[in-house]
Amino acid sequence: GEDVEQSLFLSVREGDSSVINCTYTDSSSTYLYWYKQEPGAGLQLLTYIFSNMDMKQDQRLTVLLNKKDKHLSLRIADTQTGDSAIYFCAESIADSGAGSYQLTFGKGTKLSVIP
Amino acid sequence: DGGITQSPKYLFRKEGQNVTLSCEQNLNHDAMYWYRQDPGQGLRLIYYSQIVNDFQKGDIAEGYSVSREKKESFPLTVTSAQKNPTAFYLCASSIGDGPTRQETQYFGPGTRLLVL
Repeated sequence: GEDVEQSLFLSVREGDSSVINCTYTDSSSTYLYWYKQEPGAGLQLLTYIFSNMDMKQDQRLTVLLNKKDKHLSLRIADTQTGDSAIYFCAESIADSGAGSYQLTFGKGTKLSVIP
Repeated sequence: DGGITQSPKYLFRKEGQNVTLSCEQNLNHDAMYWYRQDPGQGLRLIYYSQIVNDFQKGDIAEGYSVSREKKESFPLTVTSAQKNPTAFYLCASSIGDGPTRQETQYFGPGTRLLVL
């Protein structure tokens, strides 16, 4: 199968900006998502972007989408210790056989925030 | 308070035993999903269901079974045929309506299954 690629680790100092990058696979993906997972917990939806958009901003979060390069990034401004978690990128891909859409996830980027 | 609940939080399985993980949602979502997460890995789809009384295999369905008798419930059974069941299991749901199919998935808190 095709993979959604993310770097596995990122370390930043508290107050700095964090940028988490993702490369996805399907140019026909309709929605692209960022989820956050804290230790031992489920996935929390952070934000998503529709494929006809270049950028979406939501408080401290900025999502940039480069469709030509199939590159998605999540920028967290003023990173706090509470932002330490694993961040998953996911793309929505059509399952033509079932007539539905499925999510394909990257392996996650572990963000460590240094006080 | 709308959401997805999974129980139990931790589950222990003995050799040759079937165990069932519960997933309930009160979001009135049509679609429900089961994923398996292994350390350092992304999520892999086990089974999904678009509507009641219908479900499809995902990428790693072998050794698992599901049912969808009610819209709110999508239990997952880990059978004795699943030789490496130790993992974190996540249930999700999505609205799943209409041709545009906004497939934003919302997740439960997960169940960690351990083999004795």
